[in-house]
Amino acid sequence: AQRVTQPEKLLSVFKGAPVELKCNYSYSGSPELFWYVQYSRQRLQLLLRHISRESIKGFTADLNKGETSFHLKKPFAQEEDSAMYYCALRYSSASKIIFGSGTRLSIRP
Amino acid sequence: GAVVSQHPSWVICKSGTSVKIECRSLDFQATTMFWYRQFPKQSLMLMATSNEGSKATYEQGVEKDKFLINHASLTLSTLTVTSAHPEDSSFYICSATGTMNTEAFFGQGTRLTVV
Repeated sequence: AQRVTQPEKLLSVFKGAPVELKCNYSYSGSPELFWYVQYSRQRLQLLLRHISRESIKGFTADLNKGETSFHLKKPFAQEEDSAMYYCALRYSSASKIIFGSGTRLSIRP
Repeated sequence: GAVVSQHPSWVICKSGTSVKIECRSLDFQATTMFWYRQFPKQSLMLMATSNEGSKATYEQGVEKDKFLINHASLTLSTLTVTSAHPEDSSFYICSATGTMNTEAFFGQGTRLTVV
């Protein structure tokens, strides 16, 4: 069955430190992976998607099909990065989007 | 980005009554809408997927007679929680994708409290 796993519920790092939020997925077909972010008191919004291969707000994520991972990385964390981050998978056959359990990123000054 | 609006943002209802939540795409045509439920400090659980003009596809374990979904137009989907009970209290979130079916846009969510 399709599944998205985010092993860390909470990740706390100091400002300026590197950040890596882990995401693993299980899907036998061709996945479409996303990272969504939810800032305090705001709605979910798209941060980036694997097909774009872009860097948004300094974040990047590379799809590794061999390891079935889509980890989110940023070399130097900023305080405004504190938020809830969700990894999501869309299965092309049904266009459903399912989410991981989320990781709360807390950046300490 | 495109805007998806939910109404109401919060609602309190008595046990046994029904509650309707609206989800509107304001500036694009939403061919597919998704309804999620989120418990406190937990992730979004997909409840159902609806395509305009078709019956919704419910996820396993979601009662279709309990959670009625209507997607009658390309800009509006509704979720009706019928005969609500306190255990239905939750945060309900909708999202929508357009004809290009790439990015999903999310509503602000509706907090339902059943007393």
